[in-house]
Amino acid sequence: AQTVTQSQPEMSVQEAETVTLSCTYDTSESDYYLFWYKQPPSRQMILVIRQEAYKQQNATENRFSVNFQKAAKSFSLKISDSQLGDAAMYFCAYRSGMDSSYKLIFGSGTRLLVRP
Amino acid sequence: DGGITQSPKYLFRKEGQNVTLSCEQNLNHDAMYWYRQDPGQGLRLIYYSQIVNDFQKGDIAEGYSVSREKKESFPLTVTSAQKNPTAFYLCASSRTGQREQFFGPGTRLTVL
Repeated sequence: AQTVTQSQPEMSVQEAETVTLSCTYDTSESDYYLFWYKQPPSRQMILVIRQEAYKQQNATENRFSVNFQKAAKSFSLKISDSQLGDAAMYFCAYRSGMDSSYKLIFGSGTRLLVRP
Repeated sequence: DGGITQSPKYLFRKEGQNVTLSCEQNLNHDAMYWYRQDPGQGLRLIYYSQIVNDFQKGDIAEGYSVSREKKESFPLTVTSAQKNPTAFYLCASSRTGQREQFFGPGTRLTVL
């Protein structure tokens, strides 16, 4: 079974600085997708960025980028120029490309604090 | 605006009572999901449905039931058989084959 591990329960960053959140996953599959979701205090889950395993190029979305290391099964999220609104829980998630349920498997989350 | 709505936002239930959580979407998505979130944990899949009148158990389906009579609606019933129902419940949907899921605002269920 696939698992997703986020080893940092909490991280802190100074406003305007850069922070990297870690995620590792375990799978024997070659076809899968990885996601980072943000959960602000409102608790609504918001998609931040996604990565297809077959793509070698790291995904980027404005200030958010990933470092996808397929061999190491690592998928870290880098937030540049951190803003107060980035403060939230961040969840890494895995989706099999072979499981017809399309279910997401989540890590336990990292709480990001942004210091003004 | 297109989106997913969940109601109510907060729900209180006495032990031994069944309660139904509502999830509606107007995104014309085929697939819908129910997840449970406990403190300090990620989301876990309860049930999912990829087509009307069909649904499948997820990883923690015991004590829950669902129906999918309409494409737009996927209500979740928390039964008295669910031993520890106090949690935050999130509904999600996606188009068939779509990589990502979109989430509703959630319902906080508290058993008194």
